[in-house]
Amino acid sequence: DIQLTQSPSFLSASIGDRVTISCRASQGISSQGFSSYLVWYQQKPGEAPKLLIYDASTLQSGVPSRFSGSGSGTEFTLTISSLQPEDFATYYCQQLNSYPVTFGGGTKVEIK
Amino acid sequence: EVQLVESGGGLVQPGGSLRLSCAASGFTFSDSYMDWVRQAPGKGLEWVGRIRNKANSHTTEYAASVKDRFTISRDDSKNSLFLQMNSLKTEDTAVYFCTRLGYCSGGTCKGLDYWGQGTLVTVSS
Repeated sequence: DIQLTQSPSFLSASIGDRVTISCRASQGISSQGFSSYLVWYQQKPGEAPKLLIYDASTLQSGVPSRFSGSGSGTEFTLTISSLQPEDFATYYCQQLNSYPVTFGGGTKVEIK
Repeated sequence: EVQLVESGGGLVQPGGSLRLSCAASGFTFSDSYMDWVRQAPGKGLEWVGRIRNKANSHTTEYAASVKDRFTISRDDSKNSLFLQMNSLKTEDTAVYFCTRLGYCSGGTCKGLDYWGQGTLVTVSS
C-alpha cells in the first residue's frame, strides 16, 4: 500500500499568508511517464470534501488561482499564495495510482 | 446539476448489517466509476471501495479493512449505488460518502469530483 504522510498536521496562519502543505508518498506515484495521480481536496466542517487539484498540478475548474500544486514521484506540495478567510479548512492529499486508494492524514489550517 | 444523495444510515449493533444507497442524477451514471469514502467522527478520510462501470464488468475493489464484509453494487437502470455492510464493528462508525470518480484515462485522473452530503452510520450496543 502507498502511505501518504502530510505535514504539518496543523497550521496556524494569517490572512494574506503564503501557505505550503506537503504530502510525501511511501513509494513513487506515477503512471508510466504521465502525470502523477495525486489529488488535493479541501474540507470545511460539516461539509463534503471538494476537489481542488488533480494530476498533482492541474487546477479543478472553478477553483481560485491562488491554489496551486506541484511535485512528482514521492514529494508533492499544495500552495495557497495568499490565504483568504474562506480557505480555513482541512486539506487532504489522495493517491489514485494503485489500489488501495489512500488519503493523507490531513492538514488543518486555522486562523492565527 | 450533479447530485449524489445517500440514505440508509443509522444505529446498528456490532455484528449487524446495514445497506446504504446513493441516488445519482445530473450525469451519465452508467458510464461512471463510483467510490465510497468514509470519515470517522473527528478523523480523516478513508477510502472504502470502488465499482467500475458496465464496460468494465462492474468489477470492484475494496480497502483491506472492509474486504469480505462490505459489498458495493449498482443498478444503472435506477442510477443507484449501494453499499452492503455486514459484520459491522464499532470502528465502522463513520459518515459514509458516495462519490464519483472523474475522468481517468490516458495519463490523467481527475479524482473524486462529486460527493454526496454523507450518511452517518453508528455501530454501538
